Amino acid sequence: DAKTTQPPSMDCAEGRAANLPCNHSTISGNEYVYWYRQIHSQGPQYIIHGLKNNETNEMASLIITEDRKSSTLILPHATLRDTAVYYCIVIDGRSGGSNYKLTFGKGTLLTVNP
Amino acid sequence: DTAVSQTPKYLVTQMGNDKSIKCEQNLGHDTMYWYKQDSKKFLKIMFSYNNKELIINETVPNRFSPKSPDKAHLNLHINSLELGDSAVYFCASSFRTQNIQYFGAGTRLSVL
Repeated sequence: DAKTTQPPSMDCAEGRAANLPCNHSTISGNEYVYWYRQIHSQGPQYIIHGLKNNETNEMASLIITEDRKSSTLILPHATLRDTAVYYCIVIDGRSGGSNYKLTFGKGTLLTVNP
Repeated sequence: DTAVSQTPKYLVTQMGNDKSIKCEQNLGHDTMYWYKQDSKKFLKIMFSYNNKELIINETVPNRFSPKSPDKAHLNLHINSLELGDSAVYFCASSFRTQNIQYFGAGTRLSVL
């Protein structure tokens, strides 16, 4: 019942930008786009989230299209440590809107190559 | 100072045994969760607690009993372990009003 579609895998050269796409064509007005990642043998880690404006933090940038039906997570200078499964999750932004759970899809396995 | 800590990290046991996994968070969060990641790497919610009250039980067998003695702790007790219980179990925490969850490092349970 995932509301998002992501490519199963992507490759990126170390030092280059990694652009991870996510389709969420049925997103509603109250729903935010969240990105998490899971490095091998570790717990998931929050990266960034946004509603409609582009967002940037110390980890990544999030570009959301004007119609909000898709978004791209950008890691500006990928390193080997960024190799992980990246999950795009759509969540109702109203208080408690996640219904107290995150629904993970299959995500995208990003492999950063030396 | 680990924000969300789980113990043990590894747990190997025989079918039919009872085992517990402990989770503690020092972030001051009021909501805690247990997730299960199976061999196919699907990550699914099992339970969530808000202020020690059970909020979500996602059709988990009765053999699994979470217990939250206070807001900072959420333990998971599993009775009569089965082969299918083998998985990695993750604890997480957050503020109820936010969707940013912080995860522990996981407990890898192997049932033989």
